Amino acid sequence: GESVGLHLPTLSVQEGDNSIINCAYSNSASDYFIWYKQESGKGPQFIIDIRSNMDKRQGQRVTVLLNKTVKHLSLQIAATQPGDSAVYFCAEILFQGAQKLVFGQGTRLTINP
Amino acid sequence: EPEVTQTPSHQVTQMGQEVILRCVPISNHLYFYWYRQILGQKVEFLVSFYNNEISEKSEIFDDQFSVERPDGSNFTLKIRSTKLEDSAMYFCASTRQGNTEAFFGQGTRLTVV
Repeated sequence: GESVGLHLPTLSVQEGDNSIINCAYSNSASDYFIWYKQESGKGPQFIIDIRSNMDKRQGQRVTVLLNKTVKHLSLQIAATQPGDSAVYFCAEILFQGAQKLVFGQGTRLTINP
Repeated sequence: EPEVTQTPSHQVTQMGQEVILRCVPISNHLYFYWYRQILGQKVEFLVSFYNNEISEKSEIFDDQFSVERPDGSNFTLKIRSTKLEDSAMYFCASTRQGNTEAFFGQGTRLTVV
């Protein structure tokens, strides 16, 4: 069955505002949770990951939060820019045995000028 | 910057024909993947490949599909007896061992007519 899924398929925010993209997961055995960005006509691109034993990780303008109690993952993008418009996928990876990377459904983020 | 390259970018084939999608992963990567993305939908895991053999495959990856690493650089996906529902973007990806950052190619758009 599906291990990683998203709450909302689309999200629109004003340029300069912050955005939050959410994801639910069901496989607590995953080693890492990851966010990928897919721009139109391109393959997914790694944004940030978080190890399963962490709660928060920050990158440049992005923060990932992991709530293991409710099996919830979120990606916060600060001060959104037009280039942030894309589909964002959460994903999970388990390193035991086969190294399998599984993607969730995706959220389309649109930045309005 | 090293990148994963895929050829062709677009393949049109008659239903029932066989196609081979080609990928050149990043040279020092050890894990290779094929994913499928039907238009507007999620990125679906097909197969992972490590140490010259399949390490894991999804239920989508049935006898119609096969993968091969014929030499030190290429990684191919063969789809036999194509069906209309095989029409999708096919992405190749590669990672280092124990690394969450998968590098994706630009994809091959397969259209079965």
